[in-house]
Amino acid sequence: NAGVTQTPKFRILKIGQSMTLQCTQDMNHNYMYWYRQDPGMGLKLIYYSVGAGITDKGEVPNGYNVSRSTTEDFPLRLELAAPSQTSVYFCASSRQWGTEKLFFGSGTQLSVL
Amino acid sequence: KQEVTQIPAALSVPEGENLVLNCSFTDSAIYNLQWFRQDPGKGLTSLLLIQSSQREQTSGRLNASLDKSSGRSTLYIAASQPGDSATYLCAANGGSQGNLIFGKGTKLSVKP
Repeated sequence: NAGVTQTPKFRILKIGQSMTLQCTQDMNHNYMYWYRQDPGMGLKLIYYSVGAGITDKGEVPNGYNVSRSTTEDFPLRLELAAPSQTSVYFCASSRQWGTEKLFFGSGTQLSVL
Repeated sequence: KQEVTQIPAALSVPEGENLVLNCSFTDSAIYNLQWFRQDPGKGLTSLLLIQSSQREQTSGRLNASLDKSSGRSTLYIAASQPGDSATYLCAANGGSQGNLIFGKGTKLSVKP
């Protein structure tokens, strides 16, 4: 089982560039999430989605955008990359909110220089 | 605002020891609490999820307890093995969608 797949695994951006982090899940989960993890810190929620066509902001949404056109895909868009966006990004999914475990992708390590 | 704290930040034990990892949260009105394992360069793997109505959950050598009144959860690992070496994170679910607050984790090293 593939589970949650993220691409790319590593990326270096220059300040001001844009990119899209891809996330796909094959478990037919309704809920999908994007987190960032800074060194020595807990994960912070960027955006989440409760189903196709429905997204909402998390704790740290500034500088990011998302879309959810299908159940499987939940891409994260970085516009005008800044050094503060250097982090490890994780996509996750769950079948329900609150009662079921989260399944995580392996992460994307992003550096903005 | 919910805050989740994990102490210690790092722990080193010899193989075979039983050990306890601690997680505390400031707001006892949680929906559930989840323990995760994170290996270097990898994503998080959910180990145990304890609903607010439960006191503990067990999976193999792992046992997680929850005491909402004191704002504490513990993860007990029996007969630790080198393969248990990883960072363990807890996360408190505040109930509203998206409201999952993570601790910074405890990095566990089990020495052969």
